[in-house]
Amino acid sequence: DAGVTQSPTHLIKTRGQHVTLRCSPISGHKSVSWYQQVLGQGPQFIFQYYEKEERGRGNFPDRFSARQFPNYSSELNVNALLLGDSALYLCASSLGLLAGWVTDSYNEQFFGPGTRLTVL
Amino acid sequence: RKEVEQDPGPFNVPEGATVAFNCTYSNSASQSFFWYRQDCRKEPKLLMSVYSSGNEDGRFTAQLNRASQYISLLIRDSKLSDSATYLCVVSITGTASKLTFGTGTRLQVTL
Repeated sequence: DAGVTQSPTHLIKTRGQHVTLRCSPISGHKSVSWYQQVLGQGPQFIFQYYEKEERGRGNFPDRFSARQFPNYSSELNVNALLLGDSALYLCASSLGLLAGWVTDSYNEQFFGPGTRLTVL
Repeated sequence: RKEVEQDPGPFNVPEGATVAFNCTYSNSASQSFFWYRQDCRKEPKLLMSVYSSGNEDGRFTAQLNRASQYISLLIRDSKLSDSATYLCVVSITGTASKLTFGTGTRLQVTL
């Protein structure tokens, strides 16, 4: 079975431009989360969607937005790009929503390979 | 103060050595705990969950001390293939799946 897929793998943009990143979760997974990982840091939570509804938002500016489609795939949009937006953007999917003890595969989050965004 | 703190390393150890990583978290409401492994320029992958009673998976042992808000990972008999960054991760029960990551500890196992 295919894992989480993300596109594109690499992207170069200039300041002020807009970017759209795409994610396809593992088949049957209804939850998609987005994370930003700056070089040398751990991933930072941006958004979480479950059943097409936003269920969580991290401490990111309004330039960041996302949505989830009926097939559970998701898009992350970033407007007015800044140099500091250069990072690896990771998408993670899970069967369910992390709303309890995570001791089984139902809530485990599986990460995609990421999209490496460079802003010049 | 960061929500999850780890020694960034790097830890350079010879093959066969035992190495321990420590992590502290600041939010006492944290309820789920994990160690993820991330290879260079790859995505993080779940290594193991961490349970209150401590748990072991082969050469890997994880411990949790809720009173001290402290998590540890012990790797015995290190292999070259263990070279990676180990991320300490916590989450809080709620309506969203928010994993909070530490900065990661880099491990380099050498011959």
